[in-house]
Amino acid sequence: DQQVKQNSPSLSVQEGRISILNCDYTNSMFDYFLWYKKYPAEGPTFLISISSIKDKNEDGRFTVFLNKSAKHLSLHIVPSQPGDSAVYFCAGSGNTGKLIFGQGTTLQVKP
Amino acid sequence: NAGVMQNPRHLVRRRGQEARLRCSPMKGHSHVYWYRQLPEEGLKFMVYLQKENIIDESGMPKERFSAEFPKEGPSILRIQQVVRGDSAAYFCASSPMTGNTEAFFGQGTRLTVV
Repeated sequence: DQQVKQNSPSLSVQEGRISILNCDYTNSMFDYFLWYKKYPAEGPTFLISISSIKDKNEDGRFTVFLNKSAKHLSLHIVPSQPGDSAVYFCAGSGNTGKLIFGQGTTLQVKP
Repeated sequence: NAGVMQNPRHLVRRRGQEARLRCSPMKGHSHVYWYRQLPEEGLKFMVYLQKENIIDESGMPKERFSAEFPKEGPSILRIQQVVRGDSAAYFCASSPMTGNTEAFFGQGTRLTVV
């Protein structure tokens, strides 16, 4: 049972343009959503999160949007930079802090 | 302030041997989570521990896998009689409290079973 899904395995964008990474979920009990970034051979690094009672959270170049009725969230990166090239995971969290991850989307930002 | 420390970074075991993976959480963090990433897959939750207690082990395989977080020392994930299918990256994360707060991940231990 895949509670969190990232349906796009990869995304390629040009430097300076917007990157939009999408995530769908089925579990209505999640009350917190998080995005992590991961480089090869390293652990995931926390990027940004959003409470289920919010619909938007912004931090610098990163903005996360939550559409509860559609059970969909997205991460916007603008402007995209070559250093943003990595695998991005979205995750849902309940009251224990346990994270349920999507499969990840590999973002490539071309100079 | 050191981050989450995992060791070893790489571990090679022959089939049938035991693997011990260690995780020292960030200072002040008493909640530890273990995740496994199989090749070409996302991270899967395995177990959630607080000091001396297993809170949620719903992601742990029923046999050969165990975890502990003693009062003193690191958290240990132990895999007995390893098989090739155990080859994966094992990540530990820690947080200062339960609930809605981000967890901080270690660099991971890459286990290879030959």
